[in-house]
Amino acid sequence: DPKIIQKPKYLVAVTGSEKILICEQYLGHNAMYWYRQSAKKPLEFMFSYSYQKLMDNQTASSRFQPQSSKKNHLDLQITALKPDDSATYFCASSQSSAETLYFGSGTRLTVL
Amino acid sequence: QQKVQQSPESLIVPEGGMASLNCTSSDRNVDYFWWYRQHSGKSPKMLMSIFSNGEKEEGRFTVHLNKASLHTSLHIRDSQPSDSALYLCAARSSNTNKVVFGTGTRLQVLP
Repeated sequence: DPKIIQKPKYLVAVTGSEKILICEQYLGHNAMYWYRQSAKKPLEFMFSYSYQKLMDNQTASSRFQPQSSKKNHLDLQITALKPDDSATYFCASSQSSAETLYFGSGTRLTVL
Repeated sequence: QQKVQQSPESLIVPEGGMASLNCTSSDRNVDYFWWYRQHSGKSPKMLMSIFSNGEKEEGRFTVHLNKASLHTSLHIRDSQPSDSALYLCAARSSNTNKVVFGTGTRLQVLP
């Protein structure tokens, strides 16, 4: 029974389009994160939120926008998609900032 | 910016053998280390954590920490093919309150 739900599991998009990756956690955690992993790069930190506030942003591009509508939700909107954005995007959560991270199963994004 | 270095990049051990993985942080304020395991096509899962000098054992897995050298190691004895995975080390810095991951060691256990 997954406690961190990511939707969709697989996503195919065309260059220039916009997509939203969904993440919900049912662990009662206060901190949530987005990471990206591709064959070319290792696990790469993108954003961290604590109590629905942005704590850290290591993503250079404004095309990536996290959205936290509820404490246990942290979605990721990606605009003007590029083939280089193709990767698996992992959502994670922890009880508080910088504690043990628990990862969702990921969304594998392919941009054609 | 804290860096977490892992070595080796890849490792092949025979079934039943010992696998030893290393991780070092560049940040003197690191106060916590984790080891995660990621099987192919799956998400990373926390394996063990350590914050005190010395060692910690859980079944076939042993973690060592030397805080003076900011070095941790993971040892897997009696390695099994199911241990084949990417092993990620993560470290927390007490002054930035951030967790940084290393690039991983890819372990292959040959039957």
